[in-house]
Amino acid sequence: NAGVTQTPKFRILKIGQSMTLQCTQDMNHNYMYWYRQDPGMGLKLIYYSVGAGITDKGEVPNGYNVSRSTTEDFPLRLELAAPSQTSVYFCASSYRDRGDKYGYTFGSGTRLTVV
Amino acid sequence: EDQVTQSPEALRLQEGESSSLNCSYTVSGLRGLFWYRQDPGKGPEFLFTLYSAGEEKEKERLKATLTKKESFLHITAPKPEDSATYLCAVQASQGGSEKLVFGKGTKLTVNP
Repeated sequence: NAGVTQTPKFRILKIGQSMTLQCTQDMNHNYMYWYRQDPGMGLKLIYYSVGAGITDKGEVPNGYNVSRSTTEDFPLRLELAAPSQTSVYFCASSYRDRGDKYGYTFGSGTRLTVV
Repeated sequence: EDQVTQSPEALRLQEGESSSLNCSYTVSGLRGLFWYRQDPGKGPEFLFTLYSAGEEKEKERLKATLTKKESFLHITAPKPEDSATYLCAVQASQGGSEKLVFGKGTKLTVNP
């Protein structure tokens, strides 16, 4: 049981380049999330998904896109990288049990630098 | 707007010196309050979830408590391995209740 797997762990991009951050979970969780964490700041929600085919914007979605074609995968796309997107990106998934309680699992993060 | 404020931003303790971390929140109906531990270069690691005022949970040297306005993470006789950033997050019961809103965290350093 690998949990939430993110790739790559590190990446350096040039301004204007594009890339996809990969996220896969093997826990059959319906809910998945992308957060970014800047130094000294809390995690900010970029996008989330409540199930395959359904995505919605979070607090800081500008400059990013997502898709959710399967339950397991939730890739995050950066189309035109900007220095402001230098951050650590965390993917998470969660379940919702019969008692309406949630449990969240986070990946180990992708450290992205845009130069 | 849901908000979470953690204090202090940083805390230095001597080994064995007990203390508490604070998480105050404003939320449109609390579904759950979560505590996570984050080590440098790693993702948040789940510690506790609290659901209602008066609830308490314990794990080794850590004890989390919840009131209607804030939560405390009490650390009893800490060890150097307890050094980490502790994150607090809330889940609202309305409007996109699947999401967590995080505070900025408290960086705890425990010196031997």
